[in-house]
Formats: sequence, C-alpha cells, structure tokens
Amino acid sequence: DTEVTQTPKHLVMGMTNKKSLKCEQHMGHRAMYWYKQKAKKPPELMFVYSYEKLSINESVPSRFSPECPNSSLLNLHLHALQPEDSALYLCASSHITGQSTGELFFGEGSRLTVL
Amino acid sequence: GENVEQHPSTLSVQEGDSAVIKCTYSDSASNYFPWYKQELGKRPQLIIDIRSNVGEKKDQRIAVTLNKTAKHFSLHITETQPEDSAVYFCAASRDDYKLSFGAGTTVTVRA
Repeated sequence: DTEVTQTPKHLVMGMTNKKSLKCEQHMGHRAMYWYKQKAKKPPELMFVYSYEKLSINESVPSRFSPECPNSSLLNLHLHALQPEDSALYLCASSHITGQSTGELFFGEGSRLTVL
Repeated sequence: GENVEQHPSTLSVQEGDSAVIKCTYSDSASNYFPWYKQELGKRPQLIIDIRSNVGEKKDQRIAVTLNKTAKHFSLHITETQPEDSAVYFCAASRDDYKLSFGAGTTVTVRA
C-alpha cells in the first residue's frame, strides 16, 4: 500500500464551524506533514510530526490544530477559520532517514472552502 | 531560510522536443533536491531527486543536474509527450524535513 488517504475530499464550512481533516497511511512512515496549497502556488509547509511528536510548526495560526493519534493517522482540526484559509490541504508522509527528507508521498488533498 | 527560485514560470514545447527547467537556491547547506510533478487536480508526485554528493542523475527521459558551486539545479525532459503536461516544482532541503519549493513551472506539450 503506497497510498496516503485523505478525507473528506471537499469541505465547505462557515467561519464559526468546527471541522476536522483526516489523513491515513500504512507505509510505516514515521514522518507526517500538513501542507496548504493555494491555486497555482507551491505547497506551503504547516506542520511536521516525527515519531508522533510535533517537530515543526511553521507559525501557523492557532485556529489550525494538528493531532497525531498514532503512527498511521494525522488530523487537522479547524475552528473559526477565515475565508482566506480556503485552499487545498495536503497531507504527506515520508520515511525518517539520516539524510533529511526522503520522498514525500502526498495524499489527494482536502479542498476547503470557508464561507 | 532557504529561498528557491524557479524559471521559467511557463513553458510550451512541441511534442518530441526537450524541456529544461532551472532552479537556484540560497542555502549552501541544502543537500537534497527533489522535483515534483503535479497534474491538474492531482497530488504532487516525486519524479526524480538528487543529493548533493551527486552531480547528475537520470531516469529514462528525465534527468537532473546539480551545480553546488553555482547553487543551481535543472530538470531535463527529453522526447516530451502530452502526458508530460503538468506543473513541475523544484525543491531544496537541508537536514530538517523542511522542503522549500520553487514557484512552479507550467509545462504544456503541444501535439
């Protein structure tokens, strides 16, 4: 299994809603990532978990709250978002090697629209 | 932090011709340089990568070259086909799991 699975594929939420994005992989990867991608732009790193612990937070606003319940799952909890947060949210995973980031395996993404 | 510049932003080639995309990076400590391809509405996928101890790497029609002294690396696609049409992102990283992406190149292969 070389897939990273993300749910939901599409999400529309109001600014007062609370929702969660979910990501799952069964490749034994111990690094998992959340990226945000706007149209026609490169992915922007948000969070990195290594060995289920948050290792990188790229100064992301607290209305985004990541969670890594176990080595296969990664969640992104959303609360009080703004319309400018509308984007494609990509989950990725990789092996942890001695030489920085290995190949990132991306999920298909969750397309979020904030009204 | 690392800054990666990518050129050109768009590239149109005739089927069968070659395509070249160039990237420069700022952090001399960067040691990993992957290239990702993202088709419209799809996920980014790694197509080739190179580490700083290697100057060139080839995989069928795709090759990457790295010049550490000049801090630039390039993607070469030969014998382009319609399925090569996509957005290509270069990236650079040091030993910290942060990939810095270039702005992307939209490649269109004309039949």
